[in-house]
Amino acid sequence: DTGVSQNPRHKITKRGQNVTFRCDPISEHNRLYWYRQTLGQGPEFLTYFQNEAQLEKSRLLSDRFSAERPKGSFSTLEIQRTEQGDSAMYLCASSTSTVRNIQYFGAGTRLSVL
Amino acid sequence: RKEVEQDPGPFNVPEGATVAFNCTYSNSASQSFFWYRQDCRKEPKLLMSVYSSGNEDGRFTAQLNRASQYISLLIRDSKLSDSATYLCVVNMEYGNKLVFGAGTILRVKS
Repeated sequence: DTGVSQNPRHKITKRGQNVTFRCDPISEHNRLYWYRQTLGQGPEFLTYFQNEAQLEKSRLLSDRFSAERPKGSFSTLEIQRTEQGDSAMYLCASSTSTVRNIQYFGAGTRLSVL
Repeated sequence: RKEVEQDPGPFNVPEGATVAFNCTYSNSASQSFFWYRQDCRKEPKLLMSVYSSGNEDGRFTAQLNRASQYISLLIRDSKLSDSATYLCVVNMEYGNKLVFGAGTILRVKS
C-alpha cells in the first residue's frame, strides 16, 4: 500500500497522559499536513510541513501540541497532558508542490481521552 | 461567518434521483476548490477538483462561480453507494491548508 499511513489507528488514554501519533506520507510527497476532526464537523487544519520545515500552525495548536518532521519523511504529532476536549480523529494528509495542492489523507488516528 | 458553509442535510433521495449540493466560501482570494467524499468513520477521499469552466466526471458535475463565491455538486442517477458525507473544500493559498465545510449528508434509498 503506497498511500498515507497513520499509526496507531485507535488510542485510548487517561486525562493528563501524553500521546504520540505517527504519519508516513506518500513517498514522493514533500508536503505533510495534520488536521483534527470532531463528530459532525469537517477536518480542521492544525499544521503543515514542507520537507522538514514547519511552515504554519493553527491557533488550534495549543502549546500542549507539538509536531515534527525531522528528516522530511514521516511526521509525529504529540499531545501532552491530554484533556477530554482533545478526543477527536487526527488526520494526516500529504501532497506534492503543485499549484492545485491535491491532498491525500490517511485513515486517521481516533483518540479517546477518558 | 464560517469560511466554508454547506447545508448539512441530510438529503434523503431514492435511487436514480438527481441531487445537488451547494457551498459558499468567504475568502474571494481562494485559489482552488474541491469536493471530497467521506464515508462513516473513514478518511476524506478526493471526489473531484472544481474548475471555473465547470467539470464533469461520469455522473458527477461540479461548478464554480467565483463572482458569487459559490460551488456546486450535481449527482445524477444516484446509487446506493453514493450515500456518504460530501465535503466542500477550499484552498485559500496555493500549497497551504485546506478549509473544509462541515459536510452534507446524502442518503440514497432503494
